Amino acid sequence: KAGVTQTPRYLIKTRGQQVTLSCSPISGHRSVSWYQQTPGQGLQFLFEYFSETQRNKGNFPGRFSGRQFSNSRSEMNVSTLELGDSALYLCASRLSGRSYEQYFGPGTRLTVT
Amino acid sequence: GESVGLHLPTLSVQEGDNSIINCAYSNSASDYFIWYKQESGKGPQFIIDIRSNMDKRQGQRVTVLLNKTVKHLSLQIAATQPGDSAVYFCAENTSGQNFVFGPGTRLSVLP
Repeated sequence: KAGVTQTPRYLIKTRGQQVTLSCSPISGHRSVSWYQQTPGQGLQFLFEYFSETQRNKGNFPGRFSGRQFSNSRSEMNVSTLELGDSALYLCASRLSGRSYEQYFGPGTRLTVT
Repeated sequence: GESVGLHLPTLSVQEGDNSIINCAYSNSASDYFIWYKQESGKGPQFIIDIRSNMDKRQGQRVTVLLNKTVKHLSLQIAATQPGDSAVYFCAENTSGQNFVFGPGTRLSVLP
């Protein structure tokens, strides 16, 4: 079974631009969570989607948003990029919102200049 | 690597020795825990999990111990190998909500 895939793997953007990252969960998994990983803050939860609905949300500004499609694929968007948004963005999937085992993708490395 | 923190705790062990990585979790109501391994340039890899109704679970070369009294989790790696060098994270979950991750520990295996 294929794992979680994320595209693109690397991205360089300029301050003020916006970016969209994509995640395809493991086949059959309906819950997708997004995390931001930085050296200073570690792994921080952004949001979780299940059946196209945002189920949980972390403590991030409204510039960070996401959505999930009917095939469980998910996208996250960051608008008006700031230098501090440079990070590894990780997507993780699990079978359902109540299923505990969570598997990560390789991440998208975003650099904001 | 992407998971490096400026003040990330580091554990150095000799190849072949056993490693013990510790984690203090925050929520006494957490009922599920996962240990992840993250190598440089990769996403976290699921190693082993444990539910709160257990205090020990064994996998291949790894054992997780849970002490709910002091909210402490540990990961034991037997016969540590160079390929075990990575950053290890514990994550806690409460009733299927979002996971909360610890800061991570860097394991360095010495030849």
